[in-house]
Amino acid sequence: EVQLVESGGGLEQPGRSLRLSCTASGFTLGDYAMTWVRQAPGKGLEWIGFIRSKPYGGTTEYAASVKGRFTISRDDSKNIAYLQMNSLKSEDTAVYYCNGRLVRGDIKDVWGKGTTVIVST
Amino acid sequence: DIVVTQSPLSLSVTPGEPASISCRSNQSLLHSNGYNYLDWYLQKPGQSPQLLIYLGSNRASGVPDRFSGSGSGTDFTLKISRVDVEDVGVYYCMQATQTRAFGQGTKVEIK
Repeated sequence: EVQLVESGGGLEQPGRSLRLSCTASGFTLGDYAMTWVRQAPGKGLEWIGFIRSKPYGGTTEYAASVKGRFTISRDDSKNIAYLQMNSLKSEDTAVYYCNGRLVRGDIKDVWGKGTTVIVST
Repeated sequence: DIVVTQSPLSLSVTPGEPASISCRSNQSLLHSNGYNYLDWYLQKPGQSPQLLIYLGSNRASGVPDRFSGSGSGTDFTLKISRVDVEDVGVYYCMQATQTRAFGQGTKVEIK
């Protein structure tokens, strides 16, 4: 079965760091561009950033709201993508989803179920 | 920055009737390669988003043909030809021309 599973969420204090993982199974994560999207309680979807697959340079892009604080990386040998979140703020409280997209003729688009991050004292 | 704006923000539809959601961008999403980089997603209650339409008008695999996307440049529309009860949720457009950005979402309910 093709799936993505996010992990690493939890309660963290403002100013601290947290690293989320997104583990792929049933497909080769290295073929996919990996995106992180979050959803604050009761709010809409917010695109955070993505990392291209290695054949497309493995480069990253970020939303202005997280640029400089968040870093997306990937370990294709482990089939895992990461979201490193530093200098956490209360407004980072959200459900964090990872998404994998493969464009090869048709599109394959896979979403995880999300992991919850709460930033609070 | 490219901003996409959806309307309406909520919609109440009778099953079997059509529905339409608009997504407007403050800059053109038409790439020089001829593709419009605009996706549509549906987030059903309690679920992750799912891709419905990509590149403005291409249905993703497994998406019922009652869903269609149209438009070019700055104006796009998602149409549901006959709404089904399972279509309830929040619909988002997302521009993918310059980084990415979601619209505010349109909540679709059944009358």
